[in-house]
Amino acid sequence: SQKIEQNSEALNIQEGKTATLTCNYTNYSPAYLQWYRQDPGRGPVFLLLIRENEKEKRKERLKVTFDTTLKQSLFHITASQPADSATYLCALDLNQAGTALIFGKGTTLSVSS
Amino acid sequence: EAGVAQSPRYKIIEKRQSVAFWCNPISGHATLYWYQQILGQGPKLLIQFQNNGVVDDSQLPKDRFSAERLKGVDSTLKIQPAKLEDSAVYLCASSTNRGVYYGYTFGSGTRLTVV
Repeated sequence: SQKIEQNSEALNIQEGKTATLTCNYTNYSPAYLQWYRQDPGRGPVFLLLIRENEKEKRKERLKVTFDTTLKQSLFHITASQPADSATYLCALDLNQAGTALIFGKGTTLSVSS
Repeated sequence: EAGVAQSPRYKIIEKRQSVAFWCNPISGHATLYWYQQILGQGPKLLIQFQNNGVVDDSQLPKDRFSAERLKGVDSTLKIQPAKLEDSAVYLCASSTNRGVYYGYTFGSGTRLTVV
């Protein structure tokens, strides 16, 4: 069956360091992969999208990579700040027109000052 | 632009009671989704609407859950009767027809506690 795994439920890093979150998937061939941020008591907020033919995407301090051979995406936050503390979710489409995103369970990032 | 509105924010009910949630998506967004998020889990799709038609309700427990989207705008999700395992946050999201390209916009959700 199709499966999304976000390695490590929690990640603790110090301010200024680079946070790297991992999203692995099996039995999928997604055309797109998205990353969302979720704060406690709030809905997820869309951050970045990367297509299967793109190796890397950047937005300010965020960088996402997508390796369709390894079936893995890495999400990096450089120069991390305490305000980056949140849960980060990866989401994939099923590569079928009109179908909804499938979400991983998320990784909770804590950045300490 | 205004975000996705959901109400109520919180609801506590006893098992076997009924409950309804309301969602108003972003104006012009054709696609509306209801997701269930159990504590510590990622959102799980319950139902997807395209305008006022159902695209996917394969994971909706139809013996107790129902949803409608009248006139292709607002939507309601109902649970009747509720079970303890229905305790979760119910998230509504909307997107353009090209949501897979531009992301979904989520509401803040309704936190349901069934006691």
